[in-house]
Amino acid sequence: GAVVSQHPSRVICKSGTSVKIECRSLDFQATTMFWYRQFPKKSLMLMATSNEGSKATYEQGVEKDKFLINHASLTLSTLTVTSAHPEDSSFYICSAAGLRDTQYFGPGTRLTVL
Amino acid sequence: KQEVTQIPAALSVPEGENLVLNCSFTDSAIYNLQWFRQDPGKGLTSLLLIQSSQREQTSGRLNASLDKSSGRSTLYIAASQPGDSATYLCAVGSGGGADGLTFGKGTHLIIQP
Repeated sequence: GAVVSQHPSRVICKSGTSVKIECRSLDFQATTMFWYRQFPKKSLMLMATSNEGSKATYEQGVEKDKFLINHASLTLSTLTVTSAHPEDSSFYICSAAGLRDTQYFGPGTRLTVL
Repeated sequence: KQEVTQIPAALSVPEGENLVLNCSFTDSAIYNLQWFRQDPGKGLTSLLLIQSSQREQTSGRLNASLDKSSGRSTLYIAASQPGDSATYLCAVGSGGGADGLTFGKGTHLIIQP
């Protein structure tokens, strides 16, 4: 149980385009989901907290107009990287809060912006 | 602001050795602490979760301890195997399910056959 999926697993796009990443909790409901970013040889950094039915909370330094988060249901949160640039290339991982506040992580999405 | 530090950054040992990975955090008011494993280019695999009220957790050859007052946790790996080679991440949760985790930079572990 407690499986989280992400789609796509890998995406390559041109600079200036927008990319949507989906995060789904497959066998449990999650009112709270989190989005992290990991640059090469760096640790995971929390980008934003996504709450079902309300606006996301962004960490300091993360542009909310660039990284659009939608959490329209208890099993799905989406992250849209708008007008992507090469510096947005990174590994994006989501997590969903389950029982006893344990976070279950998705497999991640590798974004490469050309 | 919570900061998590992991030592060493990298470790290479022969197969069969017992080893200890260290994690320290600056704010002792934590909710829980988790150890994860990350293989190259992959997501995270949760290894052990320690609630703030607990002192340690064990799973197979892995044992994690938590000393909240001193801001430290250790991950003990017994009888290491080449398959244990990966990056091990320590992450601290500070606000229950409402807050994200703060991660250390990880320890890159190589077990030599």
